[in-house]
Amino acid sequence: DVKVTQSSRYLVKRTGEKVFLECVQDMDHENMFWYRQDPGLGLRLIYFSYDVKMKEKGDIPEGYSVSREKKERFSLILESASTNQTSMYLCASSFLHKKVSKVSRLGGAGELFFGEGSRLTVL
Amino acid sequence: AQKITQTQPGMFVQEKEAVTLDCTYDTSDPSYGLFWYKQPSSGEMIFLIYQGSYDQQNATEGRYSLNFQKARKSANLVISASQLGDSAMYFCAMRTYNFNKFYFGSGTKLNVKP
Repeated sequence: DVKVTQSSRYLVKRTGEKVFLECVQDMDHENMFWYRQDPGLGLRLIYFSYDVKMKEKGDIPEGYSVSREKKERFSLILESASTNQTSMYLCASSFLHKKVSKVSRLGGAGELFFGEGSRLTVL
Repeated sequence: AQKITQTQPGMFVQEKEAVTLDCTYDTSDPSYGLFWYKQPSSGEMIFLIYQGSYDQQNATEGRYSLNFQKARKSANLVISASQLGDSAMYFCAMRTYNFNKFYFGSGTKLNVKP
């Protein structure tokens, strides 16, 4: 069974703390993504990575950093948590678009596979 | 700039009726894919259906079909014979292959009434 696992479902942190959100996938996907989900705003891309040690900024990277030391693991780091970072964080992974073909296998459309989400509250 | 727009924040539908959820997109990339995801109250994101920009026929997956109108840049999701279990948040998403990113709309909350 394919799986994207996020380390924590619920976290409560204090302003100024350093926060690590971990994500692991077992599907040998090249791409990994971090989104935050807020009511009325949908999913907004924070960072993504298409290879080990490679990263690209999404639409809202400010206040976040990421690390991808191994293909299966993608970490999101909040260097100094603030209350406006209270949100649901979703990790996702997918095959590189070059591997996309007719939808005959799981992941063949290049679709994202999501983790269960990490709900972070910053007090 | 790439953009996905879902103009219906919330919708109601009677059980067993069909419903259309709207999605428009904007991209300059000639090669892209369009996706719909369902998010029930449990929070998981469930992939429903995919349409490639070069696909000639509209995609169908069981009770889900994607009404793809390329010239109008719309990719509406049609759910036939709605069921109570269809009550959820629905997100339209686009993947552009040159930029290798996924963009999501703000979502539509669907409520199916018995």
